[in-house]
Amino acid sequence: DAGITQSPRHKVTETGTPVTLRCHQTENHRYMYWYRQDPGHGLRLIHYSYGVKDTDKGEVSDGYSVSRSKTEDFLLTLESATSSQTSVYFCAISTKGRTQETQYFGPGTRLLVL
Amino acid sequence: AQKVTQAQTEISVVEKEDVTLDCVYETRDTTYYLFWYKQPPSGELVFLIRRNSFDEQNEISGRYSWNFQKSTSSFNFTITASQVVDSAVYFCALSEDPNTGNQFYFGTGTSLTVIP
Repeated sequence: DAGITQSPRHKVTETGTPVTLRCHQTENHRYMYWYRQDPGHGLRLIHYSYGVKDTDKGEVSDGYSVSRSKTEDFLLTLESATSSQTSVYFCAISTKGRTQETQYFGPGTRLLVL
Repeated sequence: AQKVTQAQTEISVVEKEDVTLDCVYETRDTTYYLFWYKQPPSGELVFLIRRNSFDEQNEISGRYSWNFQKSTSSFNFTITASQVVDSAVYFCALSEDPNTGNQFYFGTGTSLTVIP
């Protein structure tokens, strides 16, 4: 258990509405990630963070923004939700030792955009 | 081009059969990591194994075993004597450039159904 929680766990919203998903970790990991999971695509990286206020884009970042003002929280915002953003969103943290790295995932957030 | 290819979309086996899930990866890095994750019907993603590019030793953990072959860029996963609880979607993933904590590349997953 890497101490990762996501909120909300389920959300239904309407097209054009802003939505913010929260990822919270309790173990002071430097790296955090947001993925979306869709059938036939596996997991695709949206944004990631390598420290407080340090973020970068992933493969599918259009329509999403992120913020990390504290080590423990990584927020994903859909400024104006669209139906194509209906998905399951996973947050992950990266544990980095001297020679190894593993990503551990939160429980996921199911988002439905009507 | 896909960095990680899991050609098997769905597999069904009868309980107690052995099953191998294929994973082929593509990278130009000499240092990289390969992973397998399990996603049971409950939806969480469970880390199973990490293997670095310098360690081609096969690994066995109970009924699970992994065969890493750099010559064929493959990292296959075998479940011996499958059980119903093994039913899940399995993802293979590749991590390049570990010094920067950069992104993982996931395959599209293989859905395994074990029939009792």
